Parts: sequence; C-alpha cells; structure tokens
Amino acid sequence: GAVVSQHPSRVICKSGTSVKIECRSLDFQATTMFWYRQFPKQSLMLMATSNEGSKATYEQGVEKDKFLINHASLTLSTLTVTSAHPEDSSFYICSVKLASGTIYFGEGSWLTVV
Amino acid sequence: DAKTTQPPSMDCAEGRAANLPCNHSTISGNEYVYWYRQIHSQGPQYIIHGLKNNETNEMASLIITEDRKSSTLILPHATLRDTAVYYCIVRVAHMDSNYQLIWGAGTKLIIKP
Repeated sequence: GAVVSQHPSRVICKSGTSVKIECRSLDFQATTMFWYRQFPKQSLMLMATSNEGSKATYEQGVEKDKFLINHASLTLSTLTVTSAHPEDSSFYICSVKLASGTIYFGEGSWLTVV
Repeated sequence: DAKTTQPPSMDCAEGRAANLPCNHSTISGNEYVYWYRQIHSQGPQYIIHGLKNNETNEMASLIITEDRKSSTLILPHATLRDTAVYYCIVRVAHMDSNYQLIWGAGTKLIIKP
C-alpha cells in the first residue's frame, strides 16, 4: 500500500495566485520530508529538506519566499507556491524518510499555471 | 552532480530478465546504493537498496561488485508494466546528517512484447 500521499494530484491555477500542495505520511511519523521538482524529460531536482518543527533547508537557487514549506506535524508537510508564474508549472514530488533510512515518494502533483 | 552513471536506454523482451547496470566508482564505504523507478507521470517507486551484499526482494535483485564500484539491478521476469525510467542512486550525507538522494538521468527501460 501507499506510504506517502500527495494532494492534489493535478492543479491548475491562474498566474499570480498561490497554490498549496500537501504531503502526508501514512501510518508512520516522518521527521524529515523532501520536496522535489521535475520538469518534463528531466530528472528530479531537490528543492528543500523539511524537518518537523523547524525551518526548511532550501537548496541553492530555490527561493524560500516563493516556495513556502511548512512541516508542522510528523505526518504532514505542505509546499505553497506563492505568486505562481507559468514557469513554475512542473511536477512536484514529496518524499519521506523512514527510521530504517529508506525514502518513499508521493505520487506527485502536477501544477499548471495559466 | 550525480555520483552514478547509467546507460540512457535499454530494451528487453517481455518475460526475459532485465539487467540494468550502474557505475558508482567514487562511492564511499558507508554509502548505500538505492534503486528507484519512475513510470511516466508518477512519483518514483522504491525498488531495492544495498551496501555490500547482494540483495533480493519481491521486485528485484541487486548485485553489487566486490569493490562496490558498480552494481546491477535484475528484474527476473520483465513485464510490460516494468517499462519505466530506472534510477541508480548513491545515498550521500547532506546538511546536518540529513542525507539526500542525488538523481542522475536514469535508464529508460522499454519492455517489448
């Protein structure tokens, strides 16, 4: 069964608006979650590492004020794309790290900004 | 930069074993080799991982060379649903002991009827 759940799976928003993507760990607690972005025909690119109860750590080149990450509980992390632009259209994927060390991924969320 | 090298694409006949190679010549002694696959428009799916010994689970087998500089993922009886991009990843330490997975380009495996 699924270990990680993302919602929504697909979202279309207007340019200039904000959109929130949720990532939930199912049946276990995740102290660390990761957010990735993937453009068509490209590999995954890590955006940020999210630790429960503390500020996210962003990769170089990722704007923290544009991609707001909240990890307020051990089972939920959210990514909010603020003031979205068409170039933000992408496949966003979250992952969680279990205590065993294995990392599982969500189903991904397709964002289209029009 | 990714620490692994994989062929960009491979074909395999349905029902045959698919052997996907991966080079990780700069791997450190405490770094694991992970394999994931990504079917089009879906999130990556965990397959298997290993450190030194060969590993097997219900999905695949992982063969790691003695010097750990390369490995092979084996899908014993490939089906059409195994068509995907397969990623070989070395787990590296990153940011205050939180490790991350560094993704390369992967191998696009096409299973043919």
